[in-house]
Formats: sequence, structure tokens, C-alpha cells
Amino acid sequence: AQSVTQLDSQVPVFEEAPVELRCNYSSSVSVYLFWYVQYPNQGLQLLLKYLSGSTLVKGINGFEAEFNKSQTSFHLRKPSVHISDTAEYFCAGSYNFNKFYFGSGTKLNVKP
Amino acid sequence: NAGVTQTPKFQVLKTGQSMTLQCAQDMNHEYMSWYRQDPGMGLRLIHYSVGAGITDQGEVPNGYNVSRSTTEDFPLRLLSAAPSQTSVYFCASSYLRDSRATSALKAYEQYFGPGTRLTVT
Repeated sequence: AQSVTQLDSQVPVFEEAPVELRCNYSSSVSVYLFWYVQYPNQGLQLLLKYLSGSTLVKGINGFEAEFNKSQTSFHLRKPSVHISDTAEYFCAGSYNFNKFYFGSGTKLNVKP
Repeated sequence: NAGVTQTPKFQVLKTGQSMTLQCAQDMNHEYMSWYRQDPGMGLRLIHYSVGAGITDQGEVPNGYNVSRSTTEDFPLRLLSAAPSQTSVYFCASSYLRDSRATSALKAYEQYFGPGTRLTVT
């Protein structure tokens, strides 16, 4: 079965420090990957996506992710976080653009 | 554009009651979907639609029905509510490949509504 796994449920980090949120997927076929952010009491907003091409994908708010086929990973990174990045982040995958599978989410807590 | 709208924002039901969660989008998106969000489980796909008159099941369809009579609307019906359906429900929409996307970069970008928080007692 297709699945997306987020290894960390919570990640605490100090402001201006770098952060990496981990995401792994299971797939024996081509996969398309996404990262979404959810602020409290709101819907999800797309940060970035990988469909094909360059494995390094840049998104909004200074986030980027790297698609690694050999490690079946799509980790999200930001070199310097802000207090305003405090939110929950979801990795999602799709194999046919009809069904999307979401990870369980990672809560990023940026401390001053 | 209003984007994706959902009503109601909050709802409390008794076990066995039925109700319809409304979802509408004004972006002319072909693809629409319903998810439920439960703590520690992320979002799980309930049903989706790739166009008017076309719907299919997602990961957790039991207890829910959908229909898509227009491009804009995609209501979710709970036929007989159960406490296990207590959750936050999100509707989302996007362009599909080879459609009227303003650019290829917009395809498959799901836009989410603000959610409906449902409690079944």
C-alpha cells in the first residue's frame, strides 16, 4: 500500500536556526510529492511540490525540499526559521493525481 | 475569488442524525476532494471527484456519500452520524493535468477550505 511517513511528530527549534522536517514515502512506481503548512484553525496551504525534473524544489517562505529516490525521502528544509513559521507541516504523496496520501504531520515550534 | 468555501464551520450532531457538509469553489477546478483530519493521523481522503458527474472513493469512504452535479459544488453527506465521525473535515480543489490551468505549475495544487469541525455525541 502507498504511504507517506513523517518521522517526527514535534520539532522544537530556536529562531534563526536551520530546520529539517523528515518525510519518507513507500512506492515502487513514480510518485509526486508535496509539502503543506497548516496554521492554527486554518486549512492547508501548499509550500512546494515535486512532479519531475530537478530534485531540489524551492517553495514559498524560504522553504525547500529535496527528492531522493534512492532513500525514498522528501525532506523539507529552511536555513533560518522565524517565529511565524510555527505551524504544523504535512507531507503528501500521490501516484496518479487522484488519490493523495498525507503523513501524520510535524508540529514545528519556533522558540525565541 | 472566494476560493474554497465550506459551511457550516461548526456542527454538533446526535448519533443517527444525518447532515450535509457544503463545499463550493469558484476557480473552475475539475478536481475536488474531501478529507477528515484526526489528531496524529494527518488527513485521510474520503471521496474525490475529477469532474461533474464523476466521483470515486478514497481511503475512508464508509458512512459518507458524495455527488458532483456541478463543477462548483461538492457536498458531503453523513447518512447516519456516529461518534467515530467526530473530526475536522476539509474540502479541497485543484486543476488537473492537461486542463485549463493557467500554467502547468498550477496543476495538482490543492486549495483547501477553512474546515468544518463536527462533533457527534
